[in-house]
Amino acid sequence: DFQMTQSPSSLSASVGDRVTITCRASQFINTYLNWYQQKPGKAPKLLVFAASTLQSGVPSRFSGSGSGTHFTLTISSLQPEDFATYSCQQSYNTPWTFGQGTKVEIK
Amino acid sequence: QVQLQESGPGVVKPSETLSLTCAVSGGFNNITHWWSWVRQPPGKGLEWIGEIYHSGTTNYNPSLKSRVTISLDKSNNLFSLNLNSVTAADTAIYYCARGLYNTWNYAGRWFDPWGQGTLVIVSS
Repeated sequence: DFQMTQSPSSLSASVGDRVTITCRASQFINTYLNWYQQKPGKAPKLLVFAASTLQSGVPSRFSGSGSGTHFTLTISSLQPEDFATYSCQQSYNTPWTFGQGTKVEIK
Repeated sequence: QVQLQESGPGVVKPSETLSLTCAVSGGFNNITHWWSWVRQPPGKGLEWIGEIYHSGTTNYNPSLKSRVTISLDKSNNLFSLNLNSVTAADTAIYYCARGLYNTWNYAGRWFDPWGQGTLVIVSS
């Protein structure tokens, strides 16, 4: 299986901060990497697919980049509604696998 | 606009079979969609269980493959999950989701939208 490792596991940030979350794949996955946002008690929501394509309706402050084994999700200016857990998912090969999640908390 | 809604028992006894259905409104007959199940143990990360295509082709996570069956009911616009011989380790929130892929090379898979999820507790 392709192991996905996110860092950090959690972070504290303030409204307006620039936040970067990293996801590393255990093997080459090209740009087959997706990002999700999950708020407590809610289902995950797709933010970015194919490493850098923003899902329709997602604010432009979110961006994804990377290829191969190293990927990042950046929030350019953190908003109150962005405090949530973010997970990456590889879609290069089955079984599709997710990172353990990064919890973004209010400082 | 596609919407998904899970249903099924909230408690299952150990060694029995967990059965869930996902009702799909809008887009169920679209031949470019996969239909997936993903679960999340309380406080933990997401685990993909498996998926089914409109043709009936299935893919399963090898870690669960011996216990999982996913099926389609096209006449009722729903798909189902059966997980047998459950243990406490199968306690989780179970989500159904639509799987999309690159239509130009049939590669990739991302999940959107998701159902709201249903908590299944394995307990006697």
